[in-house]
Amino acid sequence: DTGVSQDPRHKITKRGQNVTFRCDPISEHNRLYWYRQTLGQGPEFLTYFQNEAQLEKSRLLSDRFSAERPKGSFSTLEIQRTEQGDSAMYLCASSLEVQAWGELFFGEGSRLTVL
Amino acid sequence: DQQVKQNSPSLSVQEGRISILNCDYTNSMFDYFLWYKKYPAEGPTFLISISSIKDKNEDGRFTVFLNKSAKHLSLHIVPSQPGDSAVYFCAASIQGGSEKLVFGKGTKLTVNP
Repeated sequence: DTGVSQDPRHKITKRGQNVTFRCDPISEHNRLYWYRQTLGQGPEFLTYFQNEAQLEKSRLLSDRFSAERPKGSFSTLEIQRTEQGDSAMYLCASSLEVQAWGELFFGEGSRLTVL
Repeated sequence: DQQVKQNSPSLSVQEGRISILNCDYTNSMFDYFLWYKKYPAEGPTFLISISSIKDKNEDGRFTVFLNKSAKHLSLHIVPSQPGDSAVYFCAASIQGGSEKLVFGKGTKLTVNP
């Protein structure tokens, strides 16, 4: 399967712990996005990379959140000192710059539950 | 504030009939609009898009209509099939600016056999 893959699919943690999610985009895609989706809401933009450069961060991305894409391939999203409000589905998506604009390919998501 | 609004949380139609999903937006800077479909336990998948220079885009059974003056778009599915049952998200963006998409809350479509 050559789609966007995310790991882990589910993570249960206690409040105050750190968690890290990994995203492997479609191999030739140079753009990578993180979104967050809570129950009953649509996906909300968190951050966006073009190659290894992080070009935009949402105000939703507090200083407890950090995302990296060190070699322009896979990306990690780390949440430090988790809070119950961080419980959500974290979606990764990728796209190719020259393709039809806005058509993102999403992974299946990483569901975070903070107890 | 919700810049992209899908006011119907759910819609139920009979197989073979037309499904019409609606979306309103408030930001007049949006100039590109997309629909995504999401099945349970899967990520959203791109369905169809439309640029603000057009008022209609068609792809097989799916047609999106854009009314810029009303800041309204709709997705028509004809004929509806049980496999179309999913949550449909409307999304909008500004070309040439940030790449981020602003999504609505989604409409859950159920197509009954």
